[in-house]
Amino acid sequence: QKEVEQNSGPLSVPEGAIASLNCTYSDRGSQSFFWYRQYSGKSPELIMFIYSNGDKEDGRFTAQLNKASQYVSLLIRDSQPSDSATYLCAVLRGNRLAFGKGNQVVVIP
Amino acid sequence: DVKVTQSSRYLVKRTGEKVFLECVQDMDHENMFWYRQDPGLGLRLIYFSYDVKMKEKGDIPEGYSVSREKKERFSLILESASTNQTSMYLCASSFLPEEQYFGPGTRLTVT
Repeated sequence: QKEVEQNSGPLSVPEGAIASLNCTYSDRGSQSFFWYRQYSGKSPELIMFIYSNGDKEDGRFTAQLNKASQYVSLLIRDSQPSDSATYLCAVLRGNRLAFGKGNQVVVIP
Repeated sequence: DVKVTQSSRYLVKRTGEKVFLECVQDMDHENMFWYRQDPGLGLRLIYFSYDVKMKEKGDIPEGYSVSREKKERFSLILESASTNQTSMYLCASSFLPEEQYFGPGTRLTVT
């Protein structure tokens, strides 16, 4: 099993809908989880982090963490065309990050 | 604002050449990282450094070396470039390892 897995293919959502992205991780001892956004042709940027079980909300973004099931989710409410990007899940491993391969989101106007 | 700059946006080199990619950050960050990003393979860590003259191997260090002589500068060296090193190379820096600030990237083509 890969350290961080994002298995879904490209996600197309209509404008105004909720986009839901999932990520699983293999190390049960992991404590810190992050979502980075990467626009096409640009570099990744940190948009959310979560350390505790449950939900964390920041504007239209909600990160969800379930340590027992070893998954992290990102919800984007009221999706906008500007949310079209690749979203990378990352887990802190010692003094470095392990990244998933990313999920592409396309918001259709 | 944190600024991470990379020496070139696009670079074309020949097989066997020695290639230097440079990264400079202006925020006095201790941690600096070199990644490569390839379609279908995601972001993979090559090397990182948590202090001047300190370095650690990442997941794919083979064929690469690094140098950090000054805190603000982290160089990636391809000792003898090969075609399988054609990729997008991203540098990042951070105070904490989780909040990494990325440079614009260097798209390297080895022919």
